Amino acid sequence: GAVVSQHPSRVICKSGTSVKIECRSLDFQATTMFWYRQFPKKSLMLMATSNEGSKATYEQGVEKDKFLINHASLTLSTLTVTSAHPEDSSFYICSAEGPTDTQYFGPGTRLTVL
Amino acid sequence: AQSVSQHNHHVILSEAASLELGCNYSYGGTVNLFWYVQYPGQHLQLLLKYFSGDPLVKGIKGFEAEFIKSKFSFNLRKPSVQWSDTAEYFCAVPPYNQGGKLIFGQGTELSVKP
Repeated sequence: GAVVSQHPSRVICKSGTSVKIECRSLDFQATTMFWYRQFPKKSLMLMATSNEGSKATYEQGVEKDKFLINHASLTLSTLTVTSAHPEDSSFYICSAEGPTDTQYFGPGTRLTVL
Repeated sequence: AQSVSQHNHHVILSEAASLELGCNYSYGGTVNLFWYVQYPGQHLQLLLKYFSGDPLVKGIKGFEAEFIKSKFSFNLRKPSVQWSDTAEYFCAVPPYNQGGKLIFGQGTELSVKP
């Protein structure tokens, strides 16, 4: 149990376009999900907290207009990278709090912006 | 704010060697601590966690960690590593010990030679 999925697993887009990444909790409900960004050979950096039915909370330095987060249901949060640029290329990972107060992580989405 | 540091960036061991990966956190109050592992090409998985009680925590795959409050440490150990333990290991802690979001250490890459 406690599986988190992400879609797509990989995406390549042109500079200036927008990309939507989905994060789903498959067998549990999550009122809160989190979005992280992982650079190559680097640690995970928390970007924002996604709250079901309310606005996301962004970490300092993360542009909320650049990274739009929507948590439309108890099992789905989406991250939209708007007007993507090559520096937005990264590995984006979501997590959701499952049973036993444990964070369960999605497999990640690799975004490449050309 | 809470911070986490991992001392070893890359550790190379032979099979059957013992492992200890360092993790130190900064906030001195009540703290929850986690170790996650990321195998090549896979998503983050929880190895073990400490919330309270016995400071020696046993996790999956033979890993354990010891919480030493006086040293602000939560080092990960395994008596005898296997080639399959080759992965990236992350120590993590919630900021201000609240909520489900996590602050991650820099990560330690473990390479086990067969």
